[in-house]
Amino acid sequence: DAGITQSPRHKVTETGTPVTLRCHQTENHRYMYWYRQDPGHGLRLIHYSYGVKDTDKGEVSDGYSVSRSKTEDFLLTLESATSSQTSVYFCAISEVRGGGETQYFGPGTRLLVL
Amino acid sequence: GNSVTQMEGPVTLSEEAFLTINCTYTATGYPSLFWYVQYPGEGLQLLLKATKADDKGSNKGFEATYRKETTSFHLEKGSVQVSDSAVYFCALSGDSGGTSYGKLTFGQGTILTVHP
Repeated sequence: DAGITQSPRHKVTETGTPVTLRCHQTENHRYMYWYRQDPGHGLRLIHYSYGVKDTDKGEVSDGYSVSRSKTEDFLLTLESATSSQTSVYFCAISEVRGGGETQYFGPGTRLLVL
Repeated sequence: GNSVTQMEGPVTLSEEAFLTINCTYTATGYPSLFWYVQYPGEGLQLLLKATKADDKGSNKGFEATYRKETTSFHLEKGSVQVSDSAVYFCALSGDSGGTSYGKLTFGQGTILTVHP
């Protein structure tokens, strides 16, 4: 257990509204990631962070922004949600353990955009 | 760029059958390779990993060997159980000398259903 929580766990929203998802970790990990999971695509990286206020884009960053003002929290914002952003969102941290870096995932947030 | 290809699913087996889920990858250098498992309604759990060529990762009766010559990391289990029913994801993390280090690239996932 890497001490990762996500909130909310489920959310239904309407097209055009802003949505913020929160990832919280308790073990002071430097690197944090946001992925989305869609059928047939596995997981795809949206944004990642390598420290407080240090973030960068991933493979599918359009329509998303992130912020990290504290080590423990990594926020993902959909400025104006669209139906194509209906997905399951996973946060992850990375840790060097037992040889090499490994990512550990939170429980996920299921988002439905109507 | 990096890519991971998994065998198409879903895979349906009877209990105690032998399991193979194929995974091949494209990457430069020496990536790390992972298998993650997702049980219904849950997040992803690390199942096993290998960080260099010819390494064998193993956990809970599952095994996978990092084969650089065939760019493969096939998942195997000798005798599956009903409780192994889940979605299995192959993934890679780029070489530590490259820009994709630490960023996971996933295959599309393989759904496994095991019947009693």
